[in-house]
Amino acid sequence: SYELTQPPSVSVSPGQTATITCSGNHLGDKYVSWYQQKPGQSPVLVIYQTSKRPSGIPERFSGSSSGNTATLTISGTQAMEEADYYCQAWDSSTIVFGGGTKLTVL
Amino acid sequence: QVQLLQSGAEMKRPGASVTVSCKASGYIFSDYAIHWVRQAPGQRLEWMGWINGGNGNTKFSQKFQDRINITRDTSATTAYMQLSSLRFDDTGIYYCARVALYTRSPDFDYWGQGTLVTVST
Repeated sequence: SYELTQPPSVSVSPGQTATITCSGNHLGDKYVSWYQQKPGQSPVLVIYQTSKRPSGIPERFSGSSSGNTATLTISGTQAMEEADYYCQAWDSSTIVFGGGTKLTVL
Repeated sequence: QVQLLQSGAEMKRPGASVTVSCKASGYIFSDYAIHWVRQAPGQRLEWMGWINGGNGNTKFSQKFQDRINITRDTSATTAYMQLSSLRFDDTGIYYCARVALYTRSPDFDYWGQGTLVTVST
């Protein structure tokens, strides 16, 4: 079955750029979505179709993909962005989530 | 505004079944699919399956296909997820989420608030 791999944790200082990766076989050929989940809350879509932002999501969120890796980038990271982030892709009519990355803003 | 309102928390014995509902409002129900995603305590999101709000077609994850059923009531704009033969490791939060039909990219743009299902003796 298809698998997506994320680093368990990423740390960033306030105002700096956070980069979260998601790896999967030929992931660059697929659309990738990213979700933000804060404790006790439902996930929120922050990037869809690899690089598009839903309305209401700040411009500092961006997404890209190449080869086997998709990347979520948060520029000028704020304390409010401390959360778990999940990548998601679609393979053979099955939806797959990555293991999640805990972003800590120290 | 789009809302997905799920039923309340459930506590079940091992071997029992549970049904979680997801009441949709604020959009045309038949233009979207409803997917079900669960999250065990401290674990990743896990996709379970989905139903086409228009024609009622379903598809399930291989992991759950022997124990899950998803139905919908278009007049009530509500989707239902039933999971049977419950085990202790089915404990978790179950979410419904909306996806546009016939899209190239299944993005979950709205989520329900989640329903806690606890399997315990």
